[in-house]
Amino acid sequence: EAGVAQSPRYKIIEKRQSVAFWCNPISGHATLYWYQQILGQGPKLLIQFQNNGVVDDSQLPKDRFSAERLKGVDSTLKIQPAKLEDSAVYLCASSLQQLGNTIYFGEGSWLTVV
Amino acid sequence: GIQVEQSPPDLILQEGANSTLRCNFSDSVNNLQWFHQNPWGQLINLFYIPSGTKQNGRLSATTVATERYSLLYISSSQTTDSGVYFCAVALYNQGGKLIFGQGTELSVKP
Repeated sequence: EAGVAQSPRYKIIEKRQSVAFWCNPISGHATLYWYQQILGQGPKLLIQFQNNGVVDDSQLPKDRFSAERLKGVDSTLKIQPAKLEDSAVYLCASSLQQLGNTIYFGEGSWLTVV
Repeated sequence: GIQVEQSPPDLILQEGANSTLRCNFSDSVNNLQWFHQNPWGQLINLFYIPSGTKQNGRLSATTVATERYSLLYISSSQTTDSGVYFCAVALYNQGGKLIFGQGTELSVKP
């Protein structure tokens, strides 16, 4: 069974530029998560989707971050304009349902803002 | 919100040694998972263990939900066990989102 796929794996951009990350969850998984992990810290949830609806985006900096999951499968996370403090690993994860299931993570997209 | 505390923050072992990592949480949880983050950044599921005990090879985990802690045991450690170990918990009334601890960084020396 294929795991959670993410791209690109690495991205370097200048501050104030934009970037987009793509995620394809495990087939059949209804719940999709985007986490941000800053070096030396544990991952922090940015946004959680159940099918194509948003369940939780309370920690998403909505002035610069946006995410969508239009058909309830793939998802994109966009940052515009990027700041230096956005340098982090962006992790996509998925689970069968919202509650009581193991959550599986992709390899992550490493972002460096210079 | 719920607090997740892991200890110790860092651990250095000689290959072949055993270790115990601890995760304390501040509220009743419905989901608890242990992850190993490898040097390339990927989070690998080790255990889904909201309660009870599980074993997988040299690794085992125990969660005592009533006392709000979980333990991860690593026996006969190998250099490939190096990396960061995270505990993460979730509450049903918070949509099931995982809240992560700060991790334990393990280094196994040959």
